[in-house]
Amino acid sequence: EAGVAQSPRYKIIEKRQSVAFWCNPISGHATLYWYQQILGQGPKLLIQFQNNGVVDDSQLPKDRFSAERLKGVDSTLKIQPAKLEDSAVYLCASSLGAGGRNEQFFGPGTRLTVL
Amino acid sequence: GENVEQHPSTLSVQEGDSAVIKCTYSDSASNYFPWYKQELGKRPQLIIDIRSNVGEKKDQRIAVTLNKTAKHFSLHITETQPEDSAVYFCAALNPGGGNKLTFGTGTQLKVEL
Repeated sequence: EAGVAQSPRYKIIEKRQSVAFWCNPISGHATLYWYQQILGQGPKLLIQFQNNGVVDDSQLPKDRFSAERLKGVDSTLKIQPAKLEDSAVYLCASSLGAGGRNEQFFGPGTRLTVL
Repeated sequence: GENVEQHPSTLSVQEGDSAVIKCTYSDSASNYFPWYKQELGKRPQLIIDIRSNVGEKKDQRIAVTLNKTAKHFSLHITETQPEDSAVYFCAALNPGGGNKLTFGTGTQLKVEL
């Protein structure tokens, strides 16, 4: 089966600019996650969707980050305006459902560099 | 919220030796503990997981143990090979608050010839 797709793979922007990332989960997966992985650290959950509803966005910096999953399939994550500390790999993952019985499959990530 | 600590941050072993990576978690409600392997520039991939009703699980050269009382779990890799070189992340899933997965900080494993 096709895996989780993400684009772009790399993005370089200047601080205060805006950027958007796209994710297409594995077909049939109801749950979609966006993680931020700073170099040398583990992935940190930013937001979790169950179909098109938000389950957890407690660690999403809502003053600059937004995400949507309008039709319960693809998702976009936006940063506006970007800061230097946003430089990281943004990973999208999906699972059949939520909870420990459902393995999370990760996409290749988008490496963001903010100058 | 859940806090996962992982040690060591780097580990170097000779090919054929065993490698052990340890993690502790803070929330006793966490009930699912996956381990991910991430090669340089690639996506994390699940290699093994364990649920809180099991104390040990093995899959060929990889095993995971869980001590719920002490709230720690470990990854054991035997007969290490150069292709085992990667960053390994442990994680803990808390069923409360939307089943959020909290990751450790990672262990860079290097298997030397």
